[in-house]
Formats: sequence, C-alpha cells, structure tokens
Amino acid sequence: QVQLVQSGAEVKKPGASVKVSCKASGYTFTSYYMHWVRQAPGQGLEWMGIINPSGGSTSYAQKFQGRVTMTRDTSTSTVYMELSSLRSEDTAVYYCARARSTMYLDAFDIWGQGTMVTVSS
Amino acid sequence: DIQLTQSPSFLSASVGDRVTITCRASQGISSYLAWYQQKPGKAPKLLIYAASTLQSGVPSRFSGSGSGTEFTLTISSLQPEDFATYYCQQLNSYPITFGQGTRLEIK
Repeated sequence: QVQLVQSGAEVKKPGASVKVSCKASGYTFTSYYMHWVRQAPGQGLEWMGIINPSGGSTSYAQKFQGRVTMTRDTSTSTVYMELSSLRSEDTAVYYCARARSTMYLDAFDIWGQGTMVTVSS
Repeated sequence: DIQLTQSPSFLSASVGDRVTITCRASQGISSYLAWYQQKPGKAPKLLIYAASTLQSGVPSRFSGSGSGTEFTLTISSLQPEDFATYYCQQLNSYPITFGQGTRLEIK
C-alpha cells in the first residue's frame, strides 16, 4: 500500500541541525511532489516547502529560507528535510506529505506518521 | 500570502447534528481549497479537495462547497468518530497556507 514512513523522534540543542527522513513506498516515487509541514504543540499546521522527487528542485516558505534544505534519494525513494540553527520555537511534529496528483499544486493525500523534534538546552 | 480564517474556532455538537464550518480567504482562490481532519496524535487526513470533491474512502456525510473567498465544510449527521480538529488549506498559490483550525467537540 502507499505509505510514507518517517524517522524517529529527535532531541536537539539550540543552534544544532536536524535531518528528518521520509521513505515512500507503494507508488512511483518520482511522479509526485512531496511537501513538509510542521505543527508546534497545540498549534495549527504550517507549510515549510516542496520538493520535486524527480529533478530535486525545491521551493521553501519565506520563513524558512536559509535554514531549511530538502533533498531526495531516488535509489531509496526517500526525501529528507534538514533544518539548521534550531531554536526552541522549532519544537514541533514534522510531517512529510505527498501531493494527490502530479500537479505542482494539489492537496496532500498521503502523510507520514510525523517526527517529533524537540529543541531544548 | 493568502490568509485563511475559519469560523468558528471551537464547536460543540451532539451525535446526529448537522454542522457547518466556514473558511474565508483573504483573496480569491477559485476552487483551490482542501479540507482535512486531524485527531490527537495523528497526521491530518484529506477529506475534500477542489472545494467540493470527496476524497476516496471518505464518508458521504462530509461535503464541501464554495468558491472565490468563502467555503464551507458540512457534516450532515455527526458520528462519534467525527469529533476532531478540521483545517482548510488553500492551493491557489505558494506559499500554501492553512486555516487556524476548528475544534469539534462532543456536547
């Protein structure tokens, strides 16, 4: 079945970086855009950016420009999200989510289970 | 950026009730709107896309309508499993944005 499986929870100190993985299975990895969304404790959903698994091109939300890097490995059908210069406000659950179709802008039909990232000294 | 404002932010209702959640966009987004349901500790689940198209496997008691700047999600007869938080999302342009959420609780 189509699924996205993310890496496990992380605890990081302020100023460090974190890299979260999202492994896709059950579909053609390079055919669907992948997004990253985060959710701080008790808060709403915040879009971070998009990666095209085919060519690797990316687009990031202005808020994260300069701190986030999204990459992919087609050999393992995995996308990665690395966030640097972590601060306490980055404590959140990070989700990868697949676009519903091959369109550049489409709803997110498959989500990973989420990865909790805690930033604490 | 396009702002989405949901109302109400909190809703208390009973099993069997008909409920409606509204999402207003700060500028016209045609029909590029989706709705999600999220339960505690779980990832969001896609309910409706393109404002009114039901995602496969979603019960028909869920429906969506609207275009331009005003949209609604309606649950025709609430079931116990529907108590959750609901988010709208605009897909008209980047950056993609979400509404602040509507928490639906049992009365």
